[in-house]
Amino acid sequence: EVYLVESGGGLVQPGGSLRLSCAASGFTISGYWMSWVRQAPGKGLEWVASIKQDGSEKYYVDSVKGRLTISRDNAENSLFLQMNSLRGEDTAVYYCAGQVGPTGWFDPWGQGTLVTVSS
Amino acid sequence: QSVLTQPPSVSEAPRQRVTISCSGSSSNIGNNAVNWYQQLPGKAPKLLIYYNSLLPSGVSDRFSGSKSGTSASLAISGLQAEDEAHYYCAAWDNSLSGVVFGGGTKLTVL
Repeated sequence: EVYLVESGGGLVQPGGSLRLSCAASGFTISGYWMSWVRQAPGKGLEWVASIKQDGSEKYYVDSVKGRLTISRDNAENSLFLQMNSLRGEDTAVYYCAGQVGPTGWFDPWGQGTLVTVSS
Repeated sequence: QSVLTQPPSVSEAPRQRVTISCSGSSSNIGNNAVNWYQQLPGKAPKLLIYYNSLLPSGVSDRFSGSKSGTSASLAISGLQAEDEAHYYCAAWDNSLSGVVFGGGTKLTVL
């Protein structure tokens, strides 16, 4: 069975930082691009960032450039998202997902972790 | 305002057929594959259709996808109550250098 399990979400004040993790089991992330996709409460899906198998290429949505950083540890079979200078509009459920190439589809998906940015 | 345009909602009776449209431009759908995701209430999204019309293993063949020019569509035949969900289209956008999603369509089975 394939599992992606996100952790690290929680309540943080505006301007604060948080580090999300995504641990994979039954799925070897080293063979895939990996991505973060978020969903604000009651809203649709928004792609956030993607990273190549060896970490040499990264893509970000404009609204998070310079504030959020995607990284991976293939030895630990884990994906990360370092979130700095957080804003209210970053409040969302963050999903990690495997991706077949930067332009490809997302599969599998984790269950998500909620990040709430509020004072 | 999403880059890809979907109707906010559609509804149809059980056992009928429904289609959900996804409209884009030459920078996304016109030159890249479209993927569709199903999100059941309270659940994470799940891949439904990939590369415009291909079904992942385990997905019912009641679901089908197509693409023409800068638009794509998802069809669901033989509607069942468990098909009630939000459906999202997505594609790579060459101008934005990123993946863009449609705003999502809520399907109600009457």
